[in-house]
Amino acid sequence: QSALTQPASVSGSPGQSITFSCTGTSSDVGSYNLVSWYQHHPGKAPKLMIYEGSKRPSGVSNRFSGSKSGNTASLTISGLQAEDEADYYCCSYAGSSTLVVFGGGTKLTVL
Amino acid sequence: QLQLQESGPGLVKASETLSLTCTVSGGSISSSNYYWGWIRQPPGKGLEWIGSIYYRGSTYDNPSLKSRVTISLDTSKNQFSLNLSSVTAADTAVYYCAREGLYGSGSKRGYHFDYWGQGTLVTVSS
Repeated sequence: QSALTQPASVSGSPGQSITFSCTGTSSDVGSYNLVSWYQHHPGKAPKLMIYEGSKRPSGVSNRFSGSKSGNTASLTISGLQAEDEADYYCCSYAGSSTLVVFGGGTKLTVL
Repeated sequence: QLQLQESGPGLVKASETLSLTCTVSGGSISSSNYYWGWIRQPPGKGLEWIGSIYYRGSTYDNPSLKSRVTISLDTSKNQFSLNLSSVTAADTAVYYCAREGLYGSGSKRGYHFDYWGQGTLVTVSS
């Protein structure tokens, strides 16, 4: 069982906006602004999409945005495109004893 | 452009030690404040952080792996390595090496992974 909880799957149509949730605790997501999100196409290397909760690396589309409320972090994709179909993982700093935890991942299907 | 590439045996016997190496190109692993990490993905499951090593050699690993993890650096070869001892079938996974990005202005550990290798599948056989 993963330390961060993500829904197993979400789906949306091209052009729509979709939001992924990542629920942790007051020991990880709730206490630190160190949540990151990764896009993973099977067979390829995961790609960093968001770090420090809401920052986008150079080259990542501004259709991707991150936020946090309490113990839950969110990733929103606006203007959904077919190429966005992938698995999405959240990750958080979890304090000095555990350090880094991932979520179980959410599979995005673009209808 | 920084590139990372994992290498090592694809098949390991149960109870033995899994050994993998990550070769970094396009940048030096010893010339900055970065951490270098290992992450794995068992078949059909999510990602799991294994551990990370600072460019100066200090290491940090996932407590759930119960001290089976050893991570080391070879700066002369621009590589870092993972040893996972006493493996079982539960250690079968795709193993990735990655660089941890820096936080804020770039002086602290960022706990996010900005460059990844393509991954290598390691199967533990009985």
